[in-house]
Amino acid sequence: GDSVTQMEGPVTLSEEAFLTINCTYTATGYPSLFWYVQYPGEGLQLLLKATKADDKGSNKGFEATYRKETTSFHLEKGSVQVSDSAVYFCALSPSNTGNQFYFGTGTSLTVIP
Amino acid sequence: SAVISQKPSRDICQRGTSLTIQCQVDSQVTMMFWYRQQPGQSLTLIATANQGSEATYESGFVIDKFPISRPNLTFSTLTVSNMSPEDSSIYLCSVDRGSNEQYFGPGTRLTVT
Repeated sequence: GDSVTQMEGPVTLSEEAFLTINCTYTATGYPSLFWYVQYPGEGLQLLLKATKADDKGSNKGFEATYRKETTSFHLEKGSVQVSDSAVYFCALSPSNTGNQFYFGTGTSLTVIP
Repeated sequence: SAVISQKPSRDICQRGTSLTIQCQVDSQVTMMFWYRQQPGQSLTLIATANQGSEATYESGFVIDKFPISRPNLTFSTLTVSNMSPEDSSIYLCSVDRGSNEQYFGPGTRLTVT
């Protein structure tokens, strides 16, 4: 079945460091891919998305490229800030259902000054 | 995007009791979803709630334990019945506005003692 495998954390980085959180997926067809962020004590917020191969989603300095050949959607940011400390979830929406979402296990990021 | 509110934001309940969680959306939506996020875990879909029909439950979740109401296009409730400590989780509602993006409420943090 469809699934998402996400890099395990926790991840601790110094401010201004480069961030990569790996995400790979298994799906039939052409799913849409998402990154959600959950700040401490809050619900999930959509960070970015990509709906087809080679699309790049971007928001708040974060980027992820939909790579069909490697079935990946890695999240990157060139220079993290303390305010980026949160849990990041990779998610997939299969093309044939339209509404069912599958989430990765989440990666906790802590950025230290 | 969508503005989604949940009540209560948190609660501490005794085992054997029930809690009803409310989810209110600022505009009409066809599909609403209820998720559970157990401590340190990812999101698990409990059920999908369409207005005017019975909710569709995922494997491992049953209506007797998690009855759902969907009386109109902007509101839904999830009841956690006959609670046990294993039900301690964050419960989140989400909506799909038709763009294949899910927007989440802030969550209800439930602790069962």
